[in-house]
Amino acid sequence: GAVVSQHPSWVICKSGTSVKIECRSLDFQATTMFWYRQFPKQSLMLMATSNEGSKATYEQGVEKDKFLINHASLTLSTLTVTSAHPEDSSFYICSARASGRTYNEQFFGPGTRLTVL
Amino acid sequence: AQSVTQLGSHVSVSEGALVLLRCNYSSSVPPYLFWYVQYPNQGLQLLLKYTSAATLVKGINGFEAEFKKSETSFHLTKPSAHMSDAAEYFCAVSDGVEYGNKLVFGAGTILRVKS
Repeated sequence: GAVVSQHPSWVICKSGTSVKIECRSLDFQATTMFWYRQFPKQSLMLMATSNEGSKATYEQGVEKDKFLINHASLTLSTLTVTSAHPEDSSFYICSARASGRTYNEQFFGPGTRLTVL
Repeated sequence: AQSVTQLGSHVSVSEGALVLLRCNYSSSVPPYLFWYVQYPNQGLQLLLKYTSAATLVKGINGFEAEFKKSETSFHLTKPSAHMSDAAEYFCAVSDGVEYGNKLVFGAGTILRVKS
């Protein structure tokens, strides 16, 4: 149980285009999903917290107009990187917190490798 | 504010030897603590968690960690390393609703297991 999927697993795009990444909780409902960014050989940095049916909360320094987050249902959150540039190339990981769970346990997706040319 | 410090960005052990990965935390309230493992190009898998119950926590794959409040530590250990343990390990802290259930991660420790 508690499986989180991400799609696509990797994507290559041209500079200036937009890319959408999906995060799904497959066997549980997630009222809260989190989006992280991980640069090579670095730790995960929280970008935003997404609650179902409400606007995402972005961490300081993260451009909300560039990284659009939608959490339309209890099993799906999407991250859209708008007008992507090479510096946006990174590994994006989502996680989901199950409804009713305590202890803040988050279940992580397998990640999406974004390369912007 | 919360923070996590992992001592040693790289740890190398021989197969069968003790694994010790160090984690110290800072939190203004009683913390929840986690250890995650990440294999290359994959997401994170939870190894174990401390949630204010027993101070010695046992996790998957033979790992365990001990919460020591006086030392603000949550070191991860495994008695005998296996080649399949080679991966990157992250310690994380959360203190519940007060900070929006966020996890703050340490910088990670890459574990290398020599045959």
